[in-house]
Amino acid sequence: DAGVTQSPTHLIKTRGQHVTLRCSPISGHKSVSWYQQVLGQGPQFIFQYYEKEERGRGNFPDRFSARQFPNYSSELNVNALLLGDSALYLCASSLVWDQETQYFGPGTRLLVL
Amino acid sequence: RKEVEQDPGPFNVPEGATVAFNCTYSNSASQSFFWYRQDCRKEPKLLMSVYSSGNEDGRFTAQLNRASQYISLLIRDSKLSDSATYLCVVNSGGYQKVTFGTGTKLQVIP
Repeated sequence: DAGVTQSPTHLIKTRGQHVTLRCSPISGHKSVSWYQQVLGQGPQFIFQYYEKEERGRGNFPDRFSARQFPNYSSELNVNALLLGDSALYLCASSLVWDQETQYFGPGTRLLVL
Repeated sequence: RKEVEQDPGPFNVPEGATVAFNCTYSNSASQSFFWYRQDCRKEPKLLMSVYSSGNEDGRFTAQLNRASQYISLLIRDSKLSDSATYLCVVNSGGYQKVTFGTGTKLQVIP
């Protein structure tokens, strides 16, 4: 079975631009979570979606938004990019809502210049 | 105080050595605990869950001390391939309650 997939793998943007990151969970998984990992830090929770509804939000500004589609894939959108948004963005899927045993995708490396 | 704290290391140990990492957490209501492994420029991968009774998987042993609010990971007979960053994860239950530590870097030296 395919694992969690994310696209694109790498992305370079300039300040003020908008970006959309995509994630496909493991087949049968209904929960998708997004994390931001800056260099030297652990992943920071951004959003969790379960059954197409936002179930949790971390301490990130409103420039960050996400959604989950009927096939359980998900998009993370970031508006008005700042230099500090440069990071590895990880998507994780889990079978059920409680985020026990999450499986991570390879991530999208975003560089904001 | 951070919700989840780890010594960032690096821990430089020779092959065959035993090494232990601790991770402290601040929320006494935390319900489940995990160790993840992250290789350089890769995604985190679940290493093992941590149970109150302790659990072992080959050379790896995880322990939970609820009274002192810490979890530990012991690696015996270290291999070069164990070189990675080990992330402590605490789930306080429900949505948006998963918190990662900053990770402890392990370098196993020949």
